[in-house]
Amino acid sequence: DAKTTQPPSMDCAEGRAANLPCNHSTISGNEYVYWYRQIHSQGPQYIIHGLKNNETNEMASLIITEDRKSSTLILPHATLRDTAVYYCIVRVRGTSYGKLTFGQGTILTVHP
Amino acid sequence: DTEVTQTPKHLVMGMTNKKSLKCEQHMGHRAMYWYKQKAKKPPELMFVYSYEKLSINESVPSRFSPECPNSSLLNLHLHALQPEDSALYLCASSQEKGAGNTIYFGEGSWLTVV
Repeated sequence: DAKTTQPPSMDCAEGRAANLPCNHSTISGNEYVYWYRQIHSQGPQYIIHGLKNNETNEMASLIITEDRKSSTLILPHATLRDTAVYYCIVRVRGTSYGKLTFGQGTILTVHP
Repeated sequence: DTEVTQTPKHLVMGMTNKKSLKCEQHMGHRAMYWYKQKAKKPPELMFVYSYEKLSINESVPSRFSPECPNSSLLNLHLHALQPEDSALYLCASSQEKGAGNTIYFGEGSWLTVV
């Protein structure tokens, strides 16, 4: 699976958009980009995923660059409850078991 | 509804005890997973079950023994654990194996080995 690089930490003001970057420069054409977050002492929560196109759901938007070497997760109006560790994960399509391998993630702190 | 239920939420056990962690999902998912998460570290995959058969064992010590009695249940039997096995144990499930299937996690079971 392609390796991902994320900043260790980021801050965001409540009510503003939080833009979390992820670099996956070695991604191949058959790999998905997944985002999860983990709020302290809870299980990881699925946010969104994409292959080539940008995606949006009720939680967030995922912007994938045209060359697919990087992506950005956007939380449009961050709240204090969005403070969490955010993981960007690349998963190989069609693998026998679709392994989800977590990196170190980005600690997002939303402050008042 | 994406819900994976794990019990117990907290478990304290001695090194000679035998205990089990339980996981249940009623989403009709056919793939189930155990992950282990040490403090301040990301989750690490332990086991993958697909259609109730063990598909992947990530070189986990035999003191951890998984079991999938039916398509909705996944157990992790614990025996002769060490203090360093203290961690958050996460169960997860997905419709099928394969990267196009989103994996959903439970809230985890906190295990302390004394």
